[in-house]
Amino acid sequence: NIVLTQSPATLSVTPGESVSLSCRASQSISTSIHWYQQKSNESPRLLIKYASQSISGIPSRFSGSGSGTDFTLSINRVESEDFSIYYCQQSYSSPYTFGAGTKLELK
Amino acid sequence: EVQLQESGPGLVKPSQSLSLTCSVTGYSITSNYWGWIRKFPGNKMEWMGYISYSGSTSYNPSLKSRISITRDTSKNQFFLQLNSVTTEDTATYYCARGGRLGANWFAYWGQGTLVTVSS
Repeated sequence: NIVLTQSPATLSVTPGESVSLSCRASQSISTSIHWYQQKSNESPRLLIKYASQSISGIPSRFSGSGSGTDFTLSINRVESEDFSIYYCQQSYSSPYTFGAGTKLELK
Repeated sequence: EVQLQESGPGLVKPSQSLSLTCSVTGYSITSNYWGWIRKFPGNKMEWMGYISYSGSTSYNPSLKSRISITRDTSKNQFFLQLNSVTTEDTATYYCARGGRLGANWFAYWGQGTLVTVSS
């Protein structure tokens, strides 16, 4: 199975900062990576599909990049509503797998 | 608007079967792919499997001998059955809608239902 390693596990920031969250795959997966945000007691929300494709209704401060094994979710100027857990998920090969998540918390 | 809602028992005894229903409104399950994903205590997420618009299925090999995903198109519902559960199957279970070409990414999710396996 493809293993996704997310780093850091926790990221402490103040509102207004810009951040980058990393997801590294155990083998090349082209751009078959998708990013989700999950707030406490809510369902996951799709933010980015296929590494960099935007999703309707998602604020433009969220963007994705990368290909092969290294991927990044960037948040430009974090807002208070962004503090949550972020997951990457690959769909290159079955079984599709998720990373362990990065928790974005208020410093 | 697409909406998904999971339902089923919140408590299941070890060795028994877990059965959940996903009721879909605002979209037909005869289009797209439909999946089940679970989140364990501690936040690990696991893709369990899917059923396609045509009724074909695919399962995570780690569950293959225990899992079944079926559907009732007349009710616009699909179902998860997981047999021989153990305490390690305690998790929040989500149903979700995949894409048109595969269960590659999930844009719509149910609210999730917590299932506890305990005697």
